[in-house]
Amino acid sequence: AQRVTQPEKLLSVFKGAPVELKCNYSYSGSPELFWYVQYSRQRLQLLLRHISRESIKGFTADLNKGETSFHLKKPFAQEEDSAMYYCAPTPQYGNNRLAFGKGNQVVVIP
Amino acid sequence: DADVTQTPRNRITKTGKRIMLECSQTKGHDRMYWYRQDPGLGLQLIYYSFDVKDINKGEISDGYSVSRQAQAKFSLSLESAIPNQTALYFCATSDESGGTDTQYFGPGTRLTVL
Repeated sequence: AQRVTQPEKLLSVFKGAPVELKCNYSYSGSPELFWYVQYSRQRLQLLLRHISRESIKGFTADLNKGETSFHLKKPFAQEEDSAMYYCAPTPQYGNNRLAFGKGNQVVVIP
Repeated sequence: DADVTQTPRNRITKTGKRIMLECSQTKGHDRMYWYRQDPGLGLQLIYYSFDVKDINKGEISDGYSVSRQAQAKFSLSLESAIPNQTALYFCATSDESGGTDTQYFGPGTRLTVL
């Protein structure tokens, strides 16, 4: 069963518009949560992790344990944000294994 | 990140052939991983290794084997390739830590099995 859900496969937004990528997980306990990004012709790389509580490239993600969600948000999308985004929780805290969602393709329209 | 390299980058082979994909890293990380990526399915973990003497199956290990020749090298083998193993394969590394550390990915190997 899919334990990481990213419902929208493709998200098209206009430059300057807000973007939100949804991620829900179904692991119990306290998984660690990550967002990875893959820009065109580049390798997959870490965007941000929930324990850092930081904003990277204008993106933030809030962990909602009640809703088991870790949605990624940016108030004003830029063209360079066009990429594939993967939500990746760890099924078990501390074992360093990631379970990747199916990914969201984000296209920012100029 | 050029510290994680994969060879070959592209490979076309025929059903039944043995194939080896290689991953090397200069990051000095103990932990290495092999994933496959299929369109619309995200990344699935095939095998992972937390040190040279440690090999673990991931979600989809059937039809694959691995070898951790050294801290820096982790190879993935398909003993008898089949068409549904056509995919993009990624190697990744991470440092040992108390929690879960960042994974650093290679550029990927695109494998086509005819």
